[in-house]
Amino acid sequence: AQKVTQAQTEISVVEKEDVTLDCVYETRDTTYYLFWYKQPPSGELVFLIRRNSFDEQNEISGRYSWNFQKSTSSFNFTITASQVVDSAVYFCALSEKADNFNKFYFGSGTKLNVKP
Amino acid sequence: GAVVSQHPSRVICKSGTSVKIECRSLDFQATTMFWYRQFPKQSLMLMATSNEGSKATYEQGVEKDKFLINHASLTLSTLTVTSAHPEDSSFYICSARSRGLSNQPQHFGDGTRLSIL
Repeated sequence: AQKVTQAQTEISVVEKEDVTLDCVYETRDTTYYLFWYKQPPSGELVFLIRRNSFDEQNEISGRYSWNFQKSTSSFNFTITASQVVDSAVYFCALSEKADNFNKFYFGSGTKLNVKP
Repeated sequence: GAVVSQHPSRVICKSGTSVKIECRSLDFQATTMFWYRQFPKQSLMLMATSNEGSKATYEQGVEKDKFLINHASLTLSTLTVTSAHPEDSSFYICSARSRGLSNQPQHFGDGTRLSIL
């Protein structure tokens, strides 16, 4: 079974629109980490956020915000007032204490196209 | 912040060639490094866990004789794709984690784009 599901394969928005990228995860572990990474066309992974399972407080960083809800096993990512530079593939990932946080389970990614 | 350097960033070579990719942790010691593979428009899949001074642990379905991993020091792990064929063309990314607490974050290299002709 897929541990991390990103149901949105591709999203296209016009600049300045807000956009939310969905992430649903599955784990039996009570201690785990959730991550979001950005992968621009050049390929490198850009770390955006790490959240542990005991911290459900939502976080805002500039135009980025994250909504972590354990009740629905979701860790959604919202970009406010999107810009063309936000165009990339975004990955949600999970690591679990069960395997010493060694494995990263990545979602399939959501490609975001921001048009001018 | 912690930096992981991966080299080369791009390789184009003929079928049958063996290709070595290096992953270095520049400002921290990494007892454990990880190798991922990403096919075009797909997600990253863990190939193997590289442990300093011991054999690598491979994920199911990954051929250990095809993808040789050596972790000779606390700052360097290498992945060698032996006798590469076109189907091995992919984007390979390494990551490393600092010694110490197991909940330290992983730091990713910039990846190596391998193209086998």
